[in-house]
Amino acid sequence: SNELTQPPSLSVSPGQTASITCSGDKLGKTYVSWYQRKPGQSPVLVIYQDARRPSGIPERFSGSKSGNSASLTISGTQAMDEAEYFCQAWDRSTVVVFGGGTKLTV
Amino acid sequence: QVQLQESGPGLVKPSETLSLTCTVSGGSISSYYWSWIRQSPGKAPEWIAYIYYDGSSNSNPSLKSRVTMSVDTSKNQFSLKLTSVTAADTALYYCARGEVGATSWYFDLWGRGTLVSVSS
Repeated sequence: SNELTQPPSLSVSPGQTASITCSGDKLGKTYVSWYQRKPGQSPVLVIYQDARRPSGIPERFSGSKSGNSASLTISGTQAMDEAEYFCQAWDRSTVVVFGGGTKLTV
Repeated sequence: QVQLQESGPGLVKPSETLSLTCTVSGGSISSYYWSWIRQSPGKAPEWIAYIYYDGSSNSNPSLKSRVTMSVDTSKNQFSLKLTSVTAADTALYYCARGEVGATSWYFDLWGRGTLVSVSS
């Protein structure tokens, strides 16, 4: 069974803020990462260790976590941000777990 | 610029062994944890296994009995073998580079993925 829960879809208008949630019993004890995947392309790491942004990722992408729930926020969403986003964490029993993914429509 | 490229058969027969190779170009395979991750249609991505450049490895408990990982540092490649495949193993298979810490594991580089279908 999938241990990280995400909403399957989210729709926002250009310029709005998109917030994608990820919940799981063990998130409070481990870091969360977020990935962006566009059709036919490699997934891209957009947030790691809950809130760190890799080099080259726009500042409009941010991450946060509170207790067993994490969020990826895209401020001023652009058409190019339309993609699937999925969260990932580490758990001692399975080592790595992923969320089911959220399809963001802009 | 480091890039990852998956290669292997796109079609495998039931009960046979799925074999995939990931070639690391533009950088060394030394250091980092190298993983295979797959995603079946309509399902969450599933981490399969990792291997370190020194050959140490670990697998998802749900697949452990069927998985073998190997690394060839001279070719900058690592490989996956998954035995006794069924239709449930049909998926898009990715190789990825992992950054691992005591409480953190994330993948900072991915291949494009290769589709593997299991069918007679």
